[in-house]
Amino acid sequence: EAQVTQNPRYLITVTGKKLTVTCSQNMNHEYMSWYRQDPGLGLRQIYYSMNVEVTDKGDVPEGYKVSRKEKRNFPLILESPSPNQTSLYFCASRNRGGQPQHFGDGTRLSIL
Amino acid sequence: KQEVTQIPAALSVPEGENLVLNCSFTDSAIYNLQWFRQDPGKGLTSLLLIQSSQREQTSGRLNASLDKSSGRSTLYIAASQPGDSATYLCAGPNAGNNRKLIWGLGTSLAVNP
Repeated sequence: EAQVTQNPRYLITVTGKKLTVTCSQNMNHEYMSWYRQDPGLGLRQIYYSMNVEVTDKGDVPEGYKVSRKEKRNFPLILESPSPNQTSLYFCASRNRGGQPQHFGDGTRLSIL
Repeated sequence: KQEVTQIPAALSVPEGENLVLNCSFTDSAIYNLQWFRQDPGKGLTSLLLIQSSQREQTSGRLNASLDKSSGRSTLYIAASQPGDSATYLCAGPNAGNNRKLIWGLGTSLAVNP
């Protein structure tokens, strides 16, 4: 089954404790993205990647890091999480050429 | 910079009604426009994608149209069912960069039995 898998689905942690949210897709897609979704602000892109070792900042990249060492994986790293990063996070992937995006089920992060 | 607006923010209808959700965008040079559905606790599911050269796309009871000149897209849902209850979002690429999507805030739809 074609899917984008995120882990964990839920995480409560404390300020400053490094965490990684993993994202994996099995569709051989070139493009992958990370979004955060906040009430009243909608979905905002954090980072995106056009292919292995090619990443670029989205609209709200501060406080986040990503890597794309393999085509299928695109982890999101919070080196020193802060409460303002409490949010619902989504990973997405698609092929090139304006194809539809496929989303993971989301990761709800709470930073205390 | 592209801006995407969805009206209404929320909609409640009785089962069986035909309904229209609206999406407006500011940059008419839009590369494509996508409609998504989001269920509580779930990710987003792509419903329809309209390329800039197309006027509409259909999938089952759903029909999405795109009018670039007026900066509008509509999602038409025929014979609505309670299972259609969800939040519907539209998204369009940012001007000059089709790798970045700009999202509306969504329309929360409730279809009542």
